[in-house]
Amino acid sequence: KQEVTQIPAALSVPEGENLVLNCSFTDSAIYNLQWFRQDPGKGLTSLLLIQSSQREQTSGRLNASLDKSSGRSTLYIAASQPGDSATYLCAVYTNAGKSTFGDGTTLTVKP
Amino acid sequence: DAGITQSPRHKVTETGTPVTLRCHQTENHRYMYWYRQDPGHGLRLIHYSYGVKDTDKGEVSDGYSVSRSKTEDFLLTLESATSSQTSVYFCAISPTSGSSYNEQFFGPGTRLTVL
Repeated sequence: KQEVTQIPAALSVPEGENLVLNCSFTDSAIYNLQWFRQDPGKGLTSLLLIQSSQREQTSGRLNASLDKSSGRSTLYIAASQPGDSATYLCAVYTNAGKSTFGDGTTLTVKP
Repeated sequence: DAGITQSPRHKVTETGTPVTLRCHQTENHRYMYWYRQDPGHGLRLIHYSYGVKDTDKGEVSDGYSVSRSKTEDFLLTLESATSSQTSVYFCAISPTSGSSYNEQFFGPGTRLTVL
């Protein structure tokens, strides 16, 4: 059974700092991996999708990497801003329709 | 934002009553999903659909049924609601072609309370 772990569970940083969020998974036979952000009381917003054949994806200040062999993905956020405060979740898809989510990392960026 | 709506957005019901949640999409995506989100358990897949009338079970399907008679609508039914089904329910969709292949897009959620 696929298990997804996100460490740390919570992170607090000062504005402007670069930071890395981690996502680990136990079964490397994945189709793709997706990073989301969730604001309190809201739905999930897709940030980046990495296909299994890719090693990284970039969108603005965000960069996500994928290392299937080691079962790891990282989400790098450059020059963090208070508006980046949210819970960040990763999800891995092992075949069509099957997904496993991590519990998320709650990020607080202090002005 | 992807064109996904969920109704109702909030519902309070009593134990033993049937409840139906609706997910509606305007994107014509083939795959649709129902998840529940609970503190300490994260997001868990209930059921998903890979086409009209084609559905399959997820991780926590007991006590739930689904139906998809049209591409745009995916219904989740709690046959006899229990307090353990108090949760926030999310619908998601994903395309099976194009640059967003397999990327999931989520609806705003339905907060269900079973008393």
